[in-house]
Amino acid sequence: DGGITQSPKYLFRKEGQNVTLSCEQNLNHDAMYWYRQDPGQGLRLIYYSQIVNDFQKGDIAEGYSVSREKKESFPLTVTSAQKNPTAFYLCASSTSSHWELNEQFFGPGTRLTVL
Amino acid sequence: GQQLNQSPQSMFIQEGEDVSMNCTSSSIFNTWLWYKQDPGEGPVLLIALYKAGELTSNGRLTAQFGITRKDSFLNISASIPSDVGIYFCAGHSNNNDMRFGAGTRLTVKP
Repeated sequence: DGGITQSPKYLFRKEGQNVTLSCEQNLNHDAMYWYRQDPGQGLRLIYYSQIVNDFQKGDIAEGYSVSREKKESFPLTVTSAQKNPTAFYLCASSTSSHWELNEQFFGPGTRLTVL
Repeated sequence: GQQLNQSPQSMFIQEGEDVSMNCTSSSIFNTWLWYKQDPGEGPVLLIALYKAGELTSNGRLTAQFGITRKDSFLNISASIPSDVGIYFCAGHSNNNDMRFGAGTRLTVKP
């Protein structure tokens, strides 16, 4: 079955620790995205990648880092510099980032709680 | 960046009723997408719209791409309990920038 997987589903971290969230897709999509979701707000873009070995900052990139070494994988690291990291994190992918091919498909999400 | 204005924020309806929600923006979009999200899950794409004025259906769901390209509507007819969830609109512009509404939380009473 083709799709996007995120792991883990729930993640707990102590303040001051970095943590990496996994996102894998087998849809052969070029573009991948990371969003943050907070209660009562729309999704906010953290980072996106249009192609392997390339990525761009979204609206709220501060305190986060990403890599895109393989087409299938786009891990997100939440660093200790992120001031308010507790949130629901969603990964998505699309055929292309161009608007004509930008139907984004989402993973099941990772809920990160900082203790 | 500016998010989309989605309304209403929440709706409480009786099973069998029709539902209507909309999204507006001050900017023009080339694509409008509607997603549904169940609690603790990722959004699932319901309908994608690509042309101004386009009206598209997916079962009991109907969505329209506004003629001004600054708004979109989603209607659900004859609601059922499994329609419960949060519905998001998303708009995509020329600069590869996708924006999301804050969501409409739908509750359906049996």
